Amino acid sequence: SQQGEEDPQALSIQEGENATMNCSYKTSINNLQWYRQNSGRGLVHLILIRSNEREKHSGRLRVTLDTSKKSSSLLITASRAADTASYFCATDDNAGNMLTFGGGTRLMVKP
Amino acid sequence: KAGVTQTPRYLIKTRGQQVTLSCSPISGHRSVSWYQQTPGQGLQFLFEYFSETQRNKGNFPGRFSGRQFSNSRSEMNVSTLELGDSALYLCASTSFPGSQETQYFGPGTRLLVL
Repeated sequence: SQQGEEDPQALSIQEGENATMNCSYKTSINNLQWYRQNSGRGLVHLILIRSNEREKHSGRLRVTLDTSKKSSSLLITASRAADTASYFCATDDNAGNMLTFGGGTRLMVKP
Repeated sequence: KAGVTQTPRYLIKTRGQQVTLSCSPISGHRSVSWYQQTPGQGLQFLFEYFSETQRNKGNFPGRFSGRQFSNSRSEMNVSTLELGDSALYLCASTSFPGSQETQYFGPGTRLLVL
């Protein structure tokens, strides 16, 4: 079963706009990771945020983590057509490296 | 450094057959995990190997098995294939369990069962 839910399930925006995706999870975590997947290919790691961190930036990506609400958000600023992909959040299980994934957000960025 | 590699990339089998998939982790990584991705169930954890030992196993039937070799390369095997086993199988590697580091994924093996 999946650890959490991602919201929205699908998002369509114009190039240059910002895209925000949310992820909720159920149990306590060590860290939360965001991944991108293009057209059913492998997962590309975007960013990892630890449970004691609240915000992290990487280029055009900004991730926040609220452990009290068991939620995280991924913001992609100034989106590009190449950002079109599915985005997944994943949490570990405190016991090792097993990742539990959300259902993903399908992002379409129109040129 | 080379990334995680998986072979084969695509595979077509028929029901009842068995299949073996291979994963080579990033050099120096000793933990390998396997995941199954389907449209209906999403991404689900299969199992994790470290030092040739299975550390964790997901909720999959015994038809799904795996192993890890001394060079950290891993294989997973699915016996008596069913139509529902059609999926993208992904493996991921990290340095060691509990490292709280990034898990890096391979490109996946897409299995179609007819």
